[in-house]
Amino acid sequence: AQTVTQSQPEMSVQEAETVTLSCTYDTSENNYYLFWYKQPPSRQMILVIRQEAYKQQNATENRFSVNFQKAAKSFSLKISDSQLGDTAMYFCAFTQGGSEKLVFGKGMKLTVNP
Amino acid sequence: SQTIHQWPATLVQPVGSPLSLECTVEGTSNPNLYWYRQAAGRGLQLLFYSVGIGQISSEVPQNLSASRPQDRQFILSSKKLLLSDSGFYLCAWSVAGPGSNSPLHFGNGTRLTVT
Repeated sequence: AQTVTQSQPEMSVQEAETVTLSCTYDTSENNYYLFWYKQPPSRQMILVIRQEAYKQQNATENRFSVNFQKAAKSFSLKISDSQLGDTAMYFCAFTQGGSEKLVFGKGMKLTVNP
Repeated sequence: SQTIHQWPATLVQPVGSPLSLECTVEGTSNPNLYWYRQAAGRGLQLLFYSVGIGQISSEVPQNLSASRPQDRQFILSSKKLLLSDSGFYLCAWSVAGPGSNSPLHFGNGTRLTVT
C-alpha cells in the first residue's frame, strides 16, 4: 500500500524567509501524482501545487515550488518570501495513476512569525 | 463556477444517536465525490468515494455509511454514533479521480463532537 510520510509535525519561520517542508512516499508504481494541500485556520483545504511523476521538471506556483526527487521518493515544498497568510497545516498527498483515491500524510503545522 | 456546500458546520450529538451530513456540488456534472475524516494528528482518512449515482466505495469498515441519491449529492450517515466518530469531516469533489491529475476541491467541513 502507498504511504505518505511527513516527519516534521511542526515548523516556524520568520516572515519573508524561505522554508522547506519535507515529504516522502512509498510506492512501487511508476505513474502517479503528488500534491501539496494547505489548510489554514479556517479549515478550508486548498490545493497549493501538484506534480506529475512523469515530469522531470519541478512544479512551481508563484512563491511555492517543489523539489521532486523520484529516485529518493521525496517531494518537498519550498515556500519563498513567507507571508503571515501562509500559516496553516500543510498536507502532502499521493495518488496512483488512474486511481480514485488520494492518500494524505499526517500534515505539518507551519507558523509564520512577524 | 463550481461550488461545494457542506452542512452543518458544527454538530454535537450524543452517543447512540443517528447522523446525517450532507454535501452538494454545483456547476459540474457527474463529479467524483469523497468523504474524508480528519482526526487530530492523523491527517485525512478517506472514508467513502463515489464515481456515480448509487456507486459507493468504502475504504474503512465502521458504523458509517454513505449514499449518493443524486448526481451532485453525497450523504454521510450513521444509525448509532460512537465516541470514536468525533472528528472533522470533509466532503470533496473532483472532475475525475486524482489519479487523472484532477485535484480535489474541498468543502468547509463539519466538526462533529459525539458526547
